[in-house]
Amino acid sequence: NAGVTQTPKFQVLKTGQSMTLQCAQDMNHEYMSWYRQDPGMGLRLIHYSVGAGITDQGEVPNGYNVSRSTTEDFPLRLLSAAPSQTSVYFCASSYRTTGPYGYTFGSGTRLTVV
Amino acid sequence: AQKVTQAQTEISVVEKEDVTLDCVYETRDTTYYLFWYKQPPSGELVFLIRRNSFDEQNEISGRYSWNFQKSTSSFNFTITASQVVDSAVYFCALSEDNYGQNFVFGPGTRLSVLP
Repeated sequence: NAGVTQTPKFQVLKTGQSMTLQCAQDMNHEYMSWYRQDPGMGLRLIHYSVGAGITDQGEVPNGYNVSRSTTEDFPLRLLSAAPSQTSVYFCASSYRTTGPYGYTFGSGTRLTVV
Repeated sequence: AQKVTQAQTEISVVEKEDVTLDCVYETRDTTYYLFWYKQPPSGELVFLIRRNSFDEQNEISGRYSWNFQKSTSSFNFTITASQVVDSAVYFCALSEDNYGQNFVFGPGTRLSVLP
């Protein structure tokens, strides 16, 4: 049981480049979300999805785009990378009612924008 | 607006000491969910506990215990007889709904357990 799989684990981008962070889960979770983690700020919600075809913005959505064409996948797109997007990105999923275990998180993607 | 405060940025203890991590939350909802997550040096986030707002019973799981007090809006986490493997960043989080759209994390407390 793979859980939540994020790729890549590390990435360096140049300012202005675009890229997609991949997230896939095999637990048939309806809810998926993307967070970014910055020092001293905890995790902040970027975008989330309550099911295939449904997405919405979180606290810090600017500069990011998402889509949810299948239950399993929830990619995060950086449209034009900026140094302020240097962060660790976590994908998470959960059952509709968050279940007894809350979120299941991926192992994270460490992104550096130079 | 909901908010989670973890006033302790870093804590250092010596192995076998007890340590309490504080979490204070703000919410206008009467129904909400509180969580604790552990982030060890390897970076992954590990679920520890979820507590519903209508269940104020304290919980104990091995060396871990949680004290939920609605009167003070606190959900504190105590590790008894700490071990080096407990060294991690611990996050308290609050969700106001089952979908987690308003899932807010505190800034985290870095715990270092020294041998």
